[in-house]
Amino acid sequence: AQKITQTQPGMFVQEKEAVTLDCTYDTSDPSYGLFWYKQPSSGEMIFLIYQGSYDQQNATEGRYSLNFQKARKSANLVISASQLGDSAMYFCAMREALNTGFQKLVFGTGTRLLVSP
Amino acid sequence: AAGVIQSPRHLIKEKRETATLKCYPIPRHDTVYWYQQGPGQDPQFLISFYEKMQSDKGSIPDRFSAQQFSDYHSELNMSSLELGDSALYFCASSPPDRTPSGNTIYFGEGSWLTVV
Repeated sequence: AQKITQTQPGMFVQEKEAVTLDCTYDTSDPSYGLFWYKQPSSGEMIFLIYQGSYDQQNATEGRYSLNFQKARKSANLVISASQLGDSAMYFCAMREALNTGFQKLVFGTGTRLLVSP
Repeated sequence: AAGVIQSPRHLIKEKRETATLKCYPIPRHDTVYWYQQGPGQDPQFLISFYEKMQSDKGSIPDRFSAQQFSDYHSELNMSSLELGDSALYFCASSPPDRTPSGNTIYFGEGSWLTVV
């Protein structure tokens, strides 16, 4: 079963507008972490934001916020006031608290965001 | 702040050759991960090390091996290279979970491997 689902292969947004990138996840583990990474065309994987399963408040980092709906198992990324430099591939990822304690990341298939002037 | 350092950034090898990628984690991070990202794909987990011991293994071919050394740097060795091994290889590291940012995994800039 797919652990992380990103249903939007591509998204378009105009500069200065807000955009929401969808992510749903599947886990039976009560302890997990959800991550969003940005990958520009140059290839590097840039950490954006993290949400822990026990966190009471939605995570925010500057223009990035995570709309965490635990009951729906969704962790959507909201980018406010989009900038041209936000054009990139965005990956949602989950880290489960395995029995071994060693926690790898599992990625979704990504959403390519294009910001137009 | 120091980041995850990977070398080389770009590597071109011929089929059946061997390649070695190096990774220097962020200081005081005790876990290292290797990922492979093929063209247009999401990153796939290969292998991880915790305190210099292999902690988890993913879809890593038998032709690949990795280890973590006493200074915590890690190397991914790939032998009998095939055209399908052409990919972006990421190393990532994470700190001990007891730290405030213990749940964050940071990636290096990646090593582009092209097999011709």
